[in-house]
This record gives sequence, C-alpha cells and structure tokens, in this order.
Amino acid sequence: DTAVSQTPKYLVTQMGNDKSIKCEQNLGHDTMYWYKQDSKKFLKIMFSYNNKELIINETVPNRFSPKSPDKAHLNLHINSLELGDSAVYFCASSQQGTPSKLFFGPGTRLTVL
Amino acid sequence: DQQVKQNSPSLSVQEGRISILNCDYTNSMFDYFLWYKKYPAEGPTFLISISSIKDKNEDGRFTVFLNKSAKHLSLHIVPSQPGDSAVYFCAAETGAGSYQLTFGKGTKLSVIP
Repeated sequence: DTAVSQTPKYLVTQMGNDKSIKCEQNLGHDTMYWYKQDSKKFLKIMFSYNNKELIINETVPNRFSPKSPDKAHLNLHINSLELGDSAVYFCASSQQGTPSKLFFGPGTRLTVL
Repeated sequence: DQQVKQNSPSLSVQEGRISILNCDYTNSMFDYFLWYKKYPAEGPTFLISISSIKDKNEDGRFTVFLNKSAKHLSLHIVPSQPGDSAVYFCAAETGAGSYQLTFGKGTKLSVIP
C-alpha cells in the first residue's frame, strides 16, 4: 500500500535512447510533481500537474515530456537521452490546501552511459 | 544561484545531545519554510514547517527557529536518536501554496550511539 510509487527504481541506458519513468499515487492528491536531484544534490522542480493540467514547467529541455493520464498518475518520458540527464528523479504529490507538504516516491536513479 | 543554502554538508552528534541544522536563504520573498528528512534509497519526507509570521514552531523533539532579519532558520532535534541519522533538506517558497519549493543541498546528520 505504497503511497507514491515509481518504476523503475534503477534505469541504465545508452545515450540517444528514449525512456519513460512511471509514477502513481494512491493518496487521492490533486497535484503531482517531478523533481530532479542532480550530482550536486540539489532537488529541483521540473514539472507540476494539478488535476491533470500542467501548472509548472521549469526550464527543462523539451526532450522531457510529462504525461498525466489521470490524477493518480504522472509519467515522465525522456527522448534522446544525454549524459547530463543522469540523476535521481523523484515523483511527488500533494493535496489541495497543503501543496508544500510533498509526499515523495522512492526515486528513480537514471544512469546514461 | 543558490537561494537556499545549507553550508554544512555533514554533522555528527552523540545520541541524547542536541542536533542543530542550519539553513540560510537569499530571497526575501520566501515566506514559508520547511524541513524534509531523507533516508538512503527513499524519497524525502516532510518533517516540520514554519510560516514567516512566526519565529518558532515545535513538534515533539523537533523545533524550527526562523530569524527573518538574518534570513536564517535552524532545526533543533532534542534529544538526538540514532534513527534521526538521515539527510535533512531545508526548503522555502514564496507564498504558501505556490506549488514550487526551492531546496537546499541537504545536511547529512549522523547520530552516534
């Protein structure tokens, strides 16, 4: 009964490939996010969806495309992977009224070779 | 441009003593602050928060202090327990409910039995 789950947990791939990371939350939250933790350990927001609508889209290459088929799911698709995309990607969700209180998934460690 | 700075990458404390984790920020528009705790191979979890209209918030063994004039906040853990060993992230946002948190790099706390 994991609250926020991500798959896969680890992803190793070659440069130039396309990959997806899936996220699901069973908390009934309206808002979902993707955060990236880079090699310098900063956690930075990439995207935020509220009720399936994109509300935050930070300066992220357009090779990254989020998709929210419903309120409980937010997937991240990455085209033409580059070495610099190697990072840990965290999905998160929050409920209406307390959007700062994020519930994070366990993270997906992406390694691009 | 680090708007939220945690200048100590690590901290070691004896069990039973006080742990003090510090955080500085540069953006005077930040008015809501949070601490998250992260264990290895897990996502961050919300710990405690404070609004800029307060200078202290307490929750059990955890207390956050805010000094707006110095743009500084600190997290006190008393008494420290081995289970508190984790990475602690400071986060801030401009207006509660902005959907966009800015995180520091984290401080790794080790509580020695």
